[in-house]
Amino acid sequence: AQSVTQPDIHITVSEGASLELRCNYSYGATPYLFWYVQSPGQGLQLLLKYFSGDTLVQGIKGFEAEFKRSQSSFNLRKPSVHWSDAAEYFCAVGGYSSASKIIFGSGTRLSIRP
Amino acid sequence: NAGVTQTPKFRVLKTGQSMTLLCAQDMNHEYMYWYRQDPGMGLRLIHYSVGEGTTAKGEVPDGYNVSRLKKQNFLLGLESAAPSQTSVYFCASVVAPPKGGELFFGEGSRLTVL
Repeated sequence: AQSVTQPDIHITVSEGASLELRCNYSYGATPYLFWYVQSPGQGLQLLLKYFSGDTLVQGIKGFEAEFKRSQSSFNLRKPSVHWSDAAEYFCAVGGYSSASKIIFGSGTRLSIRP
Repeated sequence: NAGVTQTPKFRVLKTGQSMTLLCAQDMNHEYMYWYRQDPGMGLRLIHYSVGEGTTAKGEVPDGYNVSRLKKQNFLLGLESAAPSQTSVYFCASVVAPPKGGELFFGEGSRLTVL
């Protein structure tokens, strides 16, 4: 079955520190993967996506993610967080079949310590 | 340049009442999705459509019905609303998966069932 697990419900990091948000997926074929961010009271904004090719993907706002097929993971990273990065982050997985659906994880809430 | 538009943005219902949420997209996307967002549970897929005249069940379809009579519109119906359906509902559309592309989201519809 298609699924996404974000094991960390809430993470707090200090401003300027590095960040890694975990995402593990289950999908029986080649997946395509997304990270979205949602600021309080706002809609969802795409940070980055992986479809094929280079497994290290660069996104907006200085974020990157690495697709590791052997670990079924697509972790999001940022070398130095800013207070404005405080938000909720969602990982999502879809597939290339014509019947594919896109499934989201339960999200990780990121807080920034001044 | 509207993108994905959801109506209404807010609605309060009494238990047992019915209503329809409308999602309209002007990007000629094949795929459309309805999600609900609840605290701590991320976005859960209710129903989706891979093209005009087609619909399919997602993760949490019970209590909802959908229709896709026109390519640009995807309707979500609640025949007999229950308090458990209090949520924020998001519609999204995407170019067919084999072509890649990101989900474009509407701004959300906040539904309260009393």
